[in-house]
Amino acid sequence: QSVLTQPPSVSGAPGQRVTISCTGSSSNIGAGFDVHWYQQLPGTAPQLLISDNTNRPSGVPDRFSGSKSGTSASLAITGLQAEDEADYYCQSYDSSLSGRVFGGGTKLTVL
Amino acid sequence: QLQLQESGPGLVKPSETLSLTCTVSGGSISSSTYYWGWIRQPPGKGLEWIGSVSYSGSTYYNPSLKSRVTISVDMSKNQFSLKVSSVTAADTAVYYCARHRSVTRDAFDIWGQGTMVAVSS
Repeated sequence: QSVLTQPPSVSGAPGQRVTISCTGSSSNIGAGFDVHWYQQLPGTAPQLLISDNTNRPSGVPDRFSGSKSGTSASLAITGLQAEDEADYYCQSYDSSLSGRVFGGGTKLTVL
Repeated sequence: QLQLQESGPGLVKPSETLSLTCTVSGGSISSSTYYWGWIRQPPGKGLEWIGSVSYSGSTYYNPSLKSRVTISVDMSKNQFSLKVSSVTAADTAVYYCARHRSVTRDAFDIWGQGTMVAVSS
């Protein structure tokens, strides 16, 4: 059971918009700790996709965006492309556990 | 461009100690700006942060693994290392090393490619 809760899977057709939620609690996201998102393409290492809730590192398309409110965060992907099919993970810090925590991951399928 | 590369045995026997090294190239591990961490991913499962170390050797660990984990830094070799003692099959995973800027904030911005470690007799 992960400290941060993500839906196991989401799907969408090419060109559509999908969102992935990341639900935490008052000791992590709700405490003001930033949320980061990673994309893991099949058979590869995770790569930073969104940092500090909303920031896109250089090279990340603006089709990807992040938001945070209360004890939750979301990743939105617009204009879905086949190459977006991957696993997505959120990550934050938990003050009760005194450590960095990940969500369980969400598998995105492009139909 | 900074790169990280994990290395170590791909097979470890139960009850023994797993030892991995992460070599940093294209930059110095001795920067006070960064922490150096280990993350693992069991086959078909999600990511788990193991722990991190600063250039000065300050460490902090995942409480669930703390009793079995040691992370250290060797500035002369531009490397940092992970040891997990008393391993079981549950420690079978791909192990990644990664960089981050602070203890509580900031993302893992650069990752190694990962190395698979199987625990089996």
